[in-house]
Amino acid sequence: DIQMTQSPATLSASVGDRVTITCRASQSVSNWLAWYQQKPGKAPNVLIYQASSLESGVPSRFSGSGSGTEFTLTISSLQPDDFATYYCQQYRIYPWTFGQGTKVEIK
Amino acid sequence: EVQLVESGGVVVQVGGSLRLSCAASGFTFDDYVMHWVRQDPGKGLEWVSCISWDGGSTYYADSVKGRFTTSRDNSKNSLYLQMNSLRTDDTALYYCAKAKILENGMDVWGQGTTVTVSS
Repeated sequence: DIQMTQSPATLSASVGDRVTITCRASQSVSNWLAWYQQKPGKAPNVLIYQASSLESGVPSRFSGSGSGTEFTLTISSLQPDDFATYYCQQYRIYPWTFGQGTKVEIK
Repeated sequence: EVQLVESGGVVVQVGGSLRLSCAASGFTFDDYVMHWVRQDPGKGLEWVSCISWDGGSTYYADSVKGRFTTSRDNSKNSLYLQMNSLRTDDTALYYCAKAKILENGMDVWGQGTTVTVSS
């Protein structure tokens, strides 16, 4: 199985900050990677697919980059609505696998 | 409105069985691969299983292989997860999710149904 490792596990930031979350795969997933945002008590929402494609309706302050084994999710200017947990997920090969999550907290 | 609604989650004893259901509406159900994803309370997401549009192919996480079976009834716009030989580590919130076109991740999720396996 492909292991996905996110860093950091927790991130403290302020409104307006630029935030970057890293996701590493144990083997190449090409660009078959998605990012999700999950708020407490809610289901996840897809933000990015194919590593860098923005899902319809997602604010442009979210962006994704990378390919192969290393990926990043960037929030260009953190907004109050962005405090949540973020997960990467590979879908190059079954079983699909998620990273362990990165919680973005208010500093 | 595109919607997925899970049901069937209950408290069950170790070794027991359970069937979860997911009712889909607002989209052409038989055009899409469908997934099950679970989440331990307060923990991360774990992909569980998926099924092709016609039910001809299924895939499972190693942790559930041989115990869980995913099926679908396209005439009823419904997805199912048959769970046998349940263990305490199967306790989780179970989501059904619709795959994006070309399986680029999952773009529609239900609200989840809670399964608690008690010893």
